Amino acid sequence: AQKITQTQPGMFVQEKEAVTLDCTYDTSDPSYGLFWYKQPSSGEMIFLIYQGSYDQQNATEGRYSLNFQKARKSANLVISASQLGDSAMYFCAMREGEGSGGSNYKLTFGKGTLLTVNP
Amino acid sequence: NAGVMQNPRHLVRRRGQEARLRCSPMKGHSHVYWYRQLPEEGLKFMVYLQKENIIDESGMPKERFSAEFPKEGPSILRIQQVVRGDSAAYFCASSTLETQYFGPGTRLLVL
Repeated sequence: AQKITQTQPGMFVQEKEAVTLDCTYDTSDPSYGLFWYKQPSSGEMIFLIYQGSYDQQNATEGRYSLNFQKARKSANLVISASQLGDSAMYFCAMREGEGSGGSNYKLTFGKGTLLTVNP
Repeated sequence: NAGVMQNPRHLVRRRGQEARLRCSPMKGHSHVYWYRQLPEEGLKFMVYLQKENIIDESGMPKERFSAEFPKEGPSILRIQQVVRGDSAAYFCASSTLETQYFGPGTRLLVL
């Protein structure tokens, strides 16, 4: 089974509007972390936002917020007031075993969503 | 505060040659992860190293691939006798406990 599922291969949004990128995950580990990364056409991976499984509040970073619904195992990324520069691939990723005392924090990535912001 | 450095950014090899990819982690980071991104795919974990130790190589192909992170110098991902299927972007990341920061990647093209 896929550990990270991003069901939207592509999304379109008008500039200045908000957009939600979906991510569901599958883990039996009680401690985990969820991440979103942005990959523009230039290819680098840019860290956007992090949510720990025990965090009580949804994470926010500027225009990015993470809609974390633990019971549904979803961690959707919300981008408010979209800008043309937001056009990129967006990857959801999970790290399992947080707080277990170990240090191996390898990430499992979804296949990504290509976001296009229209002027 | 320099970020994660990778070189070369682009590498072209003919089938059967060797590819060496280098990664210098962020200052103060001693954990390095390597990932591979095939075209149209997400990143896939390959190997996790700390200084002089391979901690987890469960994502590494069994043959032709090796990685090291010596006491001094960058981490090296080495691919021997490259084949066309090795063409991909290879990313390394270094981490604090919470967050991995990625380098710009090396795009390997095997002709």
